[in-house]
Amino acid sequence: SYELTQSLSVSVALGQTARMTCGGNNIGSKNVHWYQHKPGQAPVLVIYRDNNRPSGIPDRFSGSHSGNTATLTISRAQAGDEADYYCQVWDSSTAWVFGGGTKLTVL
Amino acid sequence: EVQLVESGGGLVQPGGSLRLSCAASGFTVSSNYMSWVRQAPGKGLECVSVIYSGDSTYYADSVKGRFTISRDNSKNTLFLQMDGLRADDTAVYYCARPEYEYFVHWGQGTLVTVSS
Repeated sequence: SYELTQSLSVSVALGQTARMTCGGNNIGSKNVHWYQHKPGQAPVLVIYRDNNRPSGIPDRFSGSHSGNTATLTISRAQAGDEADYYCQVWDSSTAWVFGGGTKLTVL
Repeated sequence: EVQLVESGGGLVQPGGSLRLSCAASGFTVSSNYMSWVRQAPGKGLECVSVIYSGDSTYYADSVKGRFTISRDNSKNTLFLQMDGLRADDTAVYYCARPEYEYFVHWGQGTLVTVSS
């Protein structure tokens, strides 16, 4: 089965750039999607198919991937960006797979 | 506007059953993939079941043989019948509409607690 690995937590100073990674075997060959999840709320898709933003998502959010790592970058971090972030791919053997999530703290 | 509203969660004893519902509006359930995604306390997201537009289904290994996904096209509603519930099924269950590979629309979730 396919697995995605995310670091447990990332901290960023207000206004600075946050980067969080998602590791998976040859993830560079897959479409990677990212979700923002705040407590008590529904998850929100912030990046789909590697580096596409749904309408309403600010361009401070961007994605990239290569080799065995995908990265979500949040520029000019705001207090409202504090949340858990999940990467996700579709794999032919495991179907819809999520990473374990990264907790973003804005200091 | 797409809306998904879950209901049916609650407290159930181990081995018991529960049926979750997801009322959809703004689109037609029968023409779309529909899914259930859960989050156990302190854990990440897990896709437990998907029903395709052609009525084929997918189940995660963790629920296969115990959960059944279905829909009522006349009511534009998605269901998840959960039997043989275990403590590790305790989670918030979200109804979500995938766009093939990823999940665009989500409901607010309904809490299922399995405990004696």
